[in-house]
Amino acid sequence: EDQVTQSPEALRLQEGESSSLNCSYTVSGLRGLFWYRQDPGKGPEFLFTLYSAGEEKEKERLKATLTKKESFLHITAPKPEDSATYLCAVHISYGGATNKLIFGTGTLLAVQP
Amino acid sequence: EPEVTQTPSHQVTQMGQEVILRCVPISNHLYFYWYRQILGQKVEFLVSFYNNEISEKSEIFDDQFSVERPDGSNFTLKIRSTKLEDSAMYFCASRLKTGGNYGYTFGSGTRLTVV
Repeated sequence: EDQVTQSPEALRLQEGESSSLNCSYTVSGLRGLFWYRQDPGKGPEFLFTLYSAGEEKEKERLKATLTKKESFLHITAPKPEDSATYLCAVHISYGGATNKLIFGTGTLLAVQP
Repeated sequence: EPEVTQTPSHQVTQMGQEVILRCVPISNHLYFYWYRQILGQKVEFLVSFYNNEISEKSEIFDDQFSVERPDGSNFTLKIRSTKLEDSAMYFCASRLKTGGNYGYTFGSGTRLTVV
């Protein structure tokens, strides 16, 4: 069964305290791994797509990396405005018909000033 | 930046009533999706739609659910007879193409409350 697991479930950081969020997956037919940010009551906001092991992408204080079994979202010197739920989702594709995202449960990040 | 627009933002309905959730995907996108998120749970896939037909649907998407693209811009999700357990945030998403570096763009969601 395709599965995506995120850890930790919740993380509280002080402003400037760097850390990493983990997303591990067991899927077949992987066609990409996505990171999204979700603010309360809002839809997921796209951050990154990673396609192959060893790939890295950066945006401001965020850096996403990918291995064959997991992805990390590194947050460097976070600010209070980085507080949100961070969702990992894997894009799976079987043949031509199936194309969908399977989401993890997310990591709720709180950055305190 | 192009957006996916969903209306209404919040809908309260009585159990057994029909609801229609509306979405305007990004104009040049070809693939359309509905996902839902029950409070405190994962975002779950409901259905994908391409070339005016359903490509795939999940086990959740039973006969009570239907999707339609009535014109060139709108994409709707209809729930025929709502149940309490249908209460959730419903997200519409669209995508230009499958494969390659094409992301899914999500709308802000419709919060459906069934009472």
